[in-house]
Amino acid sequence: GQQVMQIPQYQHVQEGEDFTTYCNSSTTLSNIQWYKQRPGGHPVFLIQLVKSGEVKKQKRLTFQFGEAKKNSSLHITATQTTDVGTYFCAGPQGAQKLVFGQGTRLTINP
Amino acid sequence: GAGVSQSPRYKVAKRGQDVALRCDPISGHVSLFWYQQALGQGPEFLTYFQNEAQLDKSGLPSDRFFAERPEGSVSTLKIQRTQQEDSAVYLCASSLEAGGPGETQYFGPGTRLLVL
Repeated sequence: GQQVMQIPQYQHVQEGEDFTTYCNSSTTLSNIQWYKQRPGGHPVFLIQLVKSGEVKKQKRLTFQFGEAKKNSSLHITATQTTDVGTYFCAGPQGAQKLVFGQGTRLTINP
Repeated sequence: GAGVSQSPRYKVAKRGQDVALRCDPISGHVSLFWYQQALGQGPEFLTYFQNEAQLDKSGLPSDRFFAERPEGSVSTLKIQRTQQEDSAVYLCASSLEAGGPGETQYFGPGTRLLVL
């Protein structure tokens, strides 16, 4: 079945450094969604990308969807301690099911 | 309005015990999903309801797992004869429409199940 892989699994940065996580799907996706899960919390929807090559920005976060619609990335510029958490990408499989990557856990040294 | 709520937030069960986990979706949301999240992993799909109809239960790991949503709102996930490998966080999510995989899913806080 469809697989969604994320790298790296862990990333530790100094506050103010940039951070990037990459997501790859084994199949072409109709869209890709990104979620953030704070430690001890639940996944919170960040954004959805639909178009090939799409780039969306949310303040210091930049999301990209690859031309082939099989990969995506999330880049955070100048990380802050509030960015700590695990970032998941998720792609749809079938009518409603979402397949999540294993996530990239971001920790930050203040 | 209120978000997705789940109860209990924490459950400790002895191996072999039956448990029932409750999900209250956002009012008016048509779609409801259950996911299982093991430590350090992403959520894994268990089952999906559109109103009261269970349209996909392909992710349920065994016949010990059963979910229902009889009136199209509150849902219960039941696990019979719990095993240690059932220990995980069980997340419920809802979305407004049944319009396909582009719908935003809103997650509840989860129930952390520990089977001893």
